[in-house]
Amino acid sequence: RKEVEQDPGPFNVPEGATVAFNCTYSNSASQSFFWYRQDCRKEPKLLMSVYSSGNEDGRFTAQLNRASQYISLLIRDSKLSDSATYLCVVNHNYGQNFVFGPGTRLSVLP
Amino acid sequence: NAGVTQTPKFRILKIGQSMTLQCAQDMNHNYMYWYRQDPGMGLKLIYYSVGAGITDKGEVPNGYNVSRSTTEDFPLRLELAAPSQTSVYFCASSWTGDDGYTFGSGTRLTVV
Repeated sequence: RKEVEQDPGPFNVPEGATVAFNCTYSNSASQSFFWYRQDCRKEPKLLMSVYSSGNEDGRFTAQLNRASQYISLLIRDSKLSDSATYLCVVNHNYGQNFVFGPGTRLSVLP
Repeated sequence: NAGVTQTPKFRILKIGQSMTLQCAQDMNHNYMYWYRQDPGMGLKLIYYSVGAGITDKGEVPNGYNVSRSTTEDFPLRLELAAPSQTSVYFCASSWTGDDGYTFGSGTRLTVV
């Protein structure tokens, strides 16, 4: 089993739709969790950290389920500019190794 | 504030050649990392450093070397380039090692 797995893409959704991505991780000792966004041919950029209590940033909501070892990202009212690849990132060895998932590609269509 | 600066942005190497990918950050971050990203794959850690003078291997270190003589710079050296090293290379830095990364814009390397 891979350390971090994500929903296979691509997800093609119309503007205004709500879309959710899931990510599972294999190491129960994982400490920190993040979602990154990567535009085509660009570097990844931190979208949001994922806290045990869940967190929200505008149209984006992240949830963590430690018992089931998965995290999720919900995007409401999708915009064309949300089109990108979303990377799930897990850190189980403090400071030393963030493990990146392969990413899920989202295309928001007009 | 430049953040993380990588040079060059693009490079084509012939098999067997060597080169150094440069990475510099101006945020006084202790943690620095080198990743490679192949099409459709997640980023793979090559080497990392938790401070000046300290480096350690990541998941895919073979064929690469690094040094960290200052807090700001973390160059990645490729010796005897091979086609399997064709990839996009990202340098990243972090303040605490657990607060998320700031990435450079990447170096696209092709080995022919």
